[in-house]
Amino acid sequence: RKEVEQDPGPFNVPEGATVAFNCTYSNSASQSFFWYRQDCRKEPKLLMSVYSSGNEDGRFTAQLNRASQYISLLIRDSKLSDSATYLCVVTGGSNYKLTFGKGTLLTVNP
Amino acid sequence: NAGVTQTPKFRVLKTGQSMTLLCAQDMNHEYMYWYRQDPGMGLRLIHYSVGEGTTAKGEVPDGYNVSRLKKQNFLLGLESAAPSQTSVYFCASSYLRGGNEQFFGPGTRLTVL
Repeated sequence: RKEVEQDPGPFNVPEGATVAFNCTYSNSASQSFFWYRQDCRKEPKLLMSVYSSGNEDGRFTAQLNRASQYISLLIRDSKLSDSATYLCVVTGGSNYKLTFGKGTLLTVNP
Repeated sequence: NAGVTQTPKFRVLKTGQSMTLLCAQDMNHEYMYWYRQDPGMGLRLIHYSVGEGTTAKGEVPDGYNVSRLKKQNFLLGLESAAPSQTSVYFCASSYLRGGNEQFFGPGTRLTVL
């Protein structure tokens, strides 16, 4: 099983749609979880951390299920500017090292 | 506050040539990292450093060397470049206890012919 696996995508959705990304991780010792966003030909940037109780930031909601080793990201009311690659990221046994999923490409169409 | 900067932004090498990529951060971060990103492979950790004067191997260290002589700088060296090292290289840094957020530089696009 790969360390971090994401939906292969790509996702093409109209503006205003709700889209969900899923991610599974293999290391049960992982302590921290994140979603990063990467625009085309740019560097990754932190979108949001993922907490056990779930957390929301505007139109974005992240969920964590430690028992199933599953992370999700929900984007509501998609905007054109949400078009990017979304990377699921977890820490391994060492809390300062991150393991990245391969990413899921989202294109929001007008 | 420039954040994380990388030099150069683009480079073309011939097989066997050497080069050094420079990463600098002005956020006083303890941890620094070098990644490579290839299509279909995602970001893979090459080497990292948990403090000045320390380095450690990541997931794909072969063919690369690093040095962290100053806290703000992290150098990645290719002694004898190979076409398999054609990639986009990202440097990142993070706080010792900063919730693990890593701040990335803009990347270096390297092509080895």
